[in-house]
Amino acid sequence: AQSVTQLGSHVSVSEGALVLLRCNYSSSVPPYLFWYVQYPNQGLQLLLKYTTGATLVKGINGFEAEFKKSETSFHLTKPSAHMSDAAEYFCAVSVNDMRFGAGTRLTVKP
Amino acid sequence: DGGITQSPKYLFRKEGQNVTLSCEQNLNHDAMYWYRQDPGQGLRLIYYSQIVNDFQKGDIAEGYSVSREKKESFPLTVTSAQKNPTAFYLCASGGAAVSSNQPQHFGDGTRLSIL
Repeated sequence: AQSVTQLGSHVSVSEGALVLLRCNYSSSVPPYLFWYVQYPNQGLQLLLKYTTGATLVKGINGFEAEFKKSETSFHLTKPSAHMSDAAEYFCAVSVNDMRFGAGTRLTVKP
Repeated sequence: DGGITQSPKYLFRKEGQNVTLSCEQNLNHDAMYWYRQDPGQGLRLIYYSQIVNDFQKGDIAEGYSVSREKKESFPLTVTSAQKNPTAFYLCASGGAAVSSNQPQHFGDGTRLSIL
């Protein structure tokens, strides 16, 4: 069965700094990969997805992620953090069903 | 606008009481899902349905029940058998198959607490 691990339950960056949220997956077959964002007391919103093709995926709000098969990783990055990026981020892998990571809470300091 | 509507936003349950959480979608999706979210644990699948009048248990189905009488609706009942129901419940809908390259679309959740 597939699984996903998010490294770091909390990440804190300064406004304008690079955002890097780490996600590693385990799957015996090529997976579909997703990043979602959740603001307080709301549902999850899709940031981006990887299905097939280009390994660098661009999403909304300036985020992007790179699928690295050799490292079984799908890390999320944004060059310059904004205060509005403060939220919880979930990585998900879909093979037999969709599995979510435990989430990473991003704090952005002014 | 198409989307998923969950109601109520906040719900309180008394001891021994069953409560039902509503989930309606107008995205014309075949599959619908219920997740439970607890702090630091991500999302855990309770039940899912790929077609009307059919549903399957997820990882934590004990103490919960569902129905799928209409494509648009997938209500979740938290029964008195669920001893720790306090959580944030999320409903989602998606493509035709559980194993899919299509993302899931989420409602804004229902927060359930015990009185």
